[in-house]
Amino acid sequence: QLQLQESGPGLVKPSETLSVTCTVSGDSISTSSYYWAWIRQPPGKGLEWIGSIYSSGSSYYNPSLKSRVTISVDTSKKQFSLRLSSVTAADTAVYYCAREVGGEWNYNWFDPWGQGTLLTVSS
Amino acid sequence: SSELTQDPAVSVALGQTVRITCQGDSLRSYYASWYQQKPGQAPVVVIYGKDIRPSGIPDRFSGSTSGNTASLTITGAQAEDEADYYCDSRDSSGSQVLFGGGTKLTVL
Repeated sequence: QLQLQESGPGLVKPSETLSVTCTVSGDSISTSSYYWAWIRQPPGKGLEWIGSIYSSGSSYYNPSLKSRVTISVDTSKKQFSLRLSSVTAADTAVYYCAREVGGEWNYNWFDPWGQGTLLTVSS
Repeated sequence: SSELTQDPAVSVALGQTVRITCQGDSLRSYYASWYQQKPGQAPVVVIYGKDIRPSGIPDRFSGSTSGNTASLTITGAQAEDEADYYCDSRDSSGSQVLFGGGTKLTVL
């Protein structure tokens, strides 16, 4: 059974770069047809898609975050990672990783999700 | 369009039927997926595509789309269905993923 597990520092200082890694177990990260995604949720608020990456490295990002986001993949380690630069308190959130599954051209969904990791931006 | 709109809160009596809606121009081209999130837990997909339930999701959950509105219907709501529900879809250009703001479902 596919499982995803996020790991991160927990606390990041303002203006620094936030880094989170997702480790995939139970299947190959190189399996075709899947993207691997990052999604965040500020405390008490809704979900926000950050971006997604294919095993080949092809990626696409939320335009509102694109200038600060880098998502990378390491298939040998079965991991993909998120880096978010110049963080502020507004970036405090639970960060989830998830597999993005494509159906026909006109739908996709996220399944499964990791349990999430809370990253707090504070000095 | 770059928005999906959901009602912030909906309530339903135990055993009754409730519809949770998601509005957006992109839904004329793309199907919505629906996620259930209980407190302190990660979201779980309950409906995707035209009306597809993942394995393990009760058949009281169903999905539909009409025009620019996608709906998640729970027929015979149970106490354990009390949760936040989110829709997602592509934007109209297909270049990004959008989430609705979420609907808090209360089962009375």
